[in-house]
Amino acid sequence: AQKVTQAQTEISVVEKEDVTLDCVYETRDTTYYLFWYKQPPSGELVFLIRRNSFDEQNEISGRYSWNFQKSTSSFNFTITASQVVDSAVYFCALSESDNNDMRFGAGTRLTVKP
Amino acid sequence: EAQVTQNPRYLITVTGKKLTVTCSQNMNHEYMSWYRQDPGLGLRQIYYSMNVEVTDKGDVPEGYKVSRKEKRNFPLILESPSPNQTSLYFCASSSLGTGGYGYTFGSGTRLTVV
Repeated sequence: AQKVTQAQTEISVVEKEDVTLDCVYETRDTTYYLFWYKQPPSGELVFLIRRNSFDEQNEISGRYSWNFQKSTSSFNFTITASQVVDSAVYFCALSESDNNDMRFGAGTRLTVKP
Repeated sequence: EAQVTQNPRYLITVTGKKLTVTCSQNMNHEYMSWYRQDPGLGLRQIYYSMNVEVTDKGDVPEGYKVSRKEKRNFPLILESPSPNQTSLYFCASSSLGTGGYGYTFGSGTRLTVV
């Protein structure tokens, strides 16, 4: 069965610092999909990125970047030059091939202080 | 606008008083699911449905019921709520067999049982 581990429960940084959120996953499928979601204080889940298991290219979107490494089963998320608005809970999730079941990590609460 | 609509957003109730949280999607998705979110545990699946009249238990089904009489609706029923069901609940939907595209989530229902 698939499993997602986010070992960092809480992280606190000062504005403009870079921060990396770790995500380690387990799956027996060769085809799978990884996701990151952001949950701001308002509570809704905001989709950030989806990555399939055949695409190991790192991705950058503005201040956000993702590092996917199959060799270590990790899909880490880095925020460069963090801002107060980045304060949120971030979830990593895994879905296997055509299985609609999505598994979530426990989440990492990021606090960015001014 | 494609969306999943949950109601209510906030609910405070007393132990033992039956309640229903509604969920409706307008994307003709076959797959719908309910999650609960608790601190340190991430999102855990309660029940899911792969189509009309087809429902199955997720990881934490105890104390909940669901029904899927129409494709667009997937209500979550708490027959006799207890304080340990105080949580943030999310409804989600997706097309069947497209786990790789992830879910569309509702805005969440924050339930407090006193």
